[in-house]
Amino acid sequence: EDKVVQSPLSLVVHEGDTVTLNCSYEVTNFRSLLWYKQEKKAPTFLFMLTSSGIEKKSGRLSSILDKKELFSILNITATQTGDSAIYLCAADNTNAGKSTFGDGTTLTVKP
Amino acid sequence: NAGVTQTPKFRILKIGQSMTLQCTQDMNHNYMYWYRQDPGMGLKLIYYSVGAGITDKGEVPNGYNVSRSTTEDFPLRLELAAPSQTSVYFCASKTGGGRPEAFFGQGTRLTVV
Repeated sequence: EDKVVQSPLSLVVHEGDTVTLNCSYEVTNFRSLLWYKQEKKAPTFLFMLTSSGIEKKSGRLSSILDKKELFSILNITATQTGDSAIYLCAADNTNAGKSTFGDGTTLTVKP
Repeated sequence: NAGVTQTPKFRILKIGQSMTLQCTQDMNHNYMYWYRQDPGMGLKLIYYSVGAGITDKGEVPNGYNVSRSTTEDFPLRLELAAPSQTSVYFCASKTGGGRPEAFFGQGTRLTVV
């Protein structure tokens, strides 16, 4: 059975802090690891990683994939209150593009 | 470009009632999915479709049915609603090609009482 585990489940930080969110996965026919941000409503896409060791960056967010150890991390530097959200990790397989989602990390950034 | 549109946004059902959640996408995506999200949890796959006329079960299909008569529409049918089906339901679509990211509708919050 495909499985994705995220940690921590929740995190409270202050503006300006740096956070690291973790995601481990066990998925047959793995294709990609995706990160989504969910603010109150629908998840929105952040990153896709397919190759090990490749770091994706978008402003203050960056992510790394380790396909040997089967994990990914999402880093957010200089956090802002607008970063408060649930961050979902999903492992995508080659079978109809089905994604297995973790339970998410709820990040709260206080002023 | 509307993307993925779900209706209704909210619904309260009584135990034993039935309803259909509507989902339409205008991006010509082949792949479509229905997920449910319970409080504090991630997304669980209910049903999915790789194209018109083709559907298959996901992780938690019991109590639900789907159809895919066109590329655009992927309705989810709840028969004999139960309190365990109280959840937020998301419809999503993907191209099915090289890009695996999903585009989500805004969700339907369903309460069964």
